[in-house]
Amino acid sequence: EDQVTQSPEALRLQEGESSSLNCSYTVSGLRGLFWYRQDPGKGPEFLFTLYSAGEEKEKERLKATLTKKESFLHITAPKPEDSATYLCAVQVYNQGGKLIFGQGTELSVKP
Amino acid sequence: SQTIHQWPATLVQPVGSPLSLECTVEGTSNPNLYWYRQAAGRGLQLLFYSVGIGQISSEVPQNLSASRPQDRQFILSSKKLLLSDSGFYLCAWNSGIGGGATDTQYFGPGTRLTVL
Repeated sequence: EDQVTQSPEALRLQEGESSSLNCSYTVSGLRGLFWYRQDPGKGPEFLFTLYSAGEEKEKERLKATLTKKESFLHITAPKPEDSATYLCAVQVYNQGGKLIFGQGTELSVKP
Repeated sequence: SQTIHQWPATLVQPVGSPLSLECTVEGTSNPNLYWYRQAAGRGLQLLFYSVGIGQISSEVPQNLSASRPQDRQFILSSKKLLLSDSGFYLCAWNSGIGGGATDTQYFGPGTRLTVL
């Protein structure tokens, strides 16, 4: 069964304290891995798509990396406005493009 | 540019009442459309997806149904709501899968449904 697991469930950081969020996956055939940011009461906002092991993408203080078994979202010198829930999802071949989501990591950055 | 709308934004309904949530997409043609449900503190669960008018695939057996009466309109319905139907309902779209490329799904603002 295709599965996505995110850790930790919640992460509290001080402003400027860098850290990483983990997304582990077990799938039959990875087509793509997606990272989204979700603010309370809002729909997820797309951040990155990664397609193959070794790929990296960056956006401001965020950097996403991908291996054959997991992805990391690195947050460098976070600011309070980075506080949100970060969702990881995978897309698998031969399943009509649907996404399988992890449970998310709730990030809180204190000033 | 493409935009996705959902309404209503919030809804409080009694158990046993009917439900109709609407999602529309602007600025694209023949999108794939998706309905997800997000329970409190949990990830997103895919409920239905559609690759074209009148084409609906169901992922989870339940008392909900979906319809796509027009190319860019997706409706989630129920004849009789249950307490367990409470949650945050999200509609998403992408431009389709082709040539080995992976298309990102873009989400609407969501509908918060509370069943009492």
